[in-house]
Amino acid sequence: DAKTTQPPSMDCAEGRAANLPCNHSTISGNEYVYWYRQIHSQGPQYIIHGLKNNETNEMASLIITEDRKSSTLILPHATLRDTAVYYCIVRVVSGSARQLTFGSGTQLTVLP
Amino acid sequence: GAVVSQHPSRVICKSGTSVKIECRSLDFQATTMFWYRQFPKQSLMLMATSNEGSKATYEQGVEKDKFLINHASLTLSTLTVTSAHPEDSSFYICSARDPESSDEQFFGPGTRLTVL
Repeated sequence: DAKTTQPPSMDCAEGRAANLPCNHSTISGNEYVYWYRQIHSQGPQYIIHGLKNNETNEMASLIITEDRKSSTLILPHATLRDTAVYYCIVRVVSGSARQLTFGSGTQLTVLP
Repeated sequence: GAVVSQHPSRVICKSGTSVKIECRSLDFQATTMFWYRQFPKQSLMLMATSNEGSKATYEQGVEKDKFLINHASLTLSTLTVTSAHPEDSSFYICSARDPESSDEQFFGPGTRLTVL
């Protein structure tokens, strides 16, 4: 799986959009971009994933650049409960059960 | 999304004892489950892949005789830490793959193990 690079930490004001970047310059054509988050002392929670097109769900939006070498996770209206470590992971999705390889992630702190 | 539970959520044991952690998929059948370990202020590290009805696959550096994994049914995998030592104190997290949900993996809430 391709390696990802994320900033170690970010702050965001409550109510504002949080934009979390991820670089994955060695991503392959068949690798998806996944985002998970981990609130302190809990298991990781799936947020969103995409291949080429931008994606949106009830939690967040995922913007993938045209060359797919980077992406941005957007939390449109951050709340205090969004404070967590956010992990960007790239992986192949196939019939085989591939594990997720976690990097160091970005610690997002939402400030009141 | 699918729900994965772990039991216990927290356990404290004496050095030299064995501890069993259960991971259950509550509303789906999981042919594959994964066990991760997370030390304080570090990321999750995969320990092993648990396949229903067959032997687990361990990552390099993980002792299979110390971390026993059993996946006897499609909804239950267990991790037993044998002869636990203080350095085994960690946060243990399992995940289960839901084949009916686009290969998504769902994580349990984790088990905090403290070995005295």
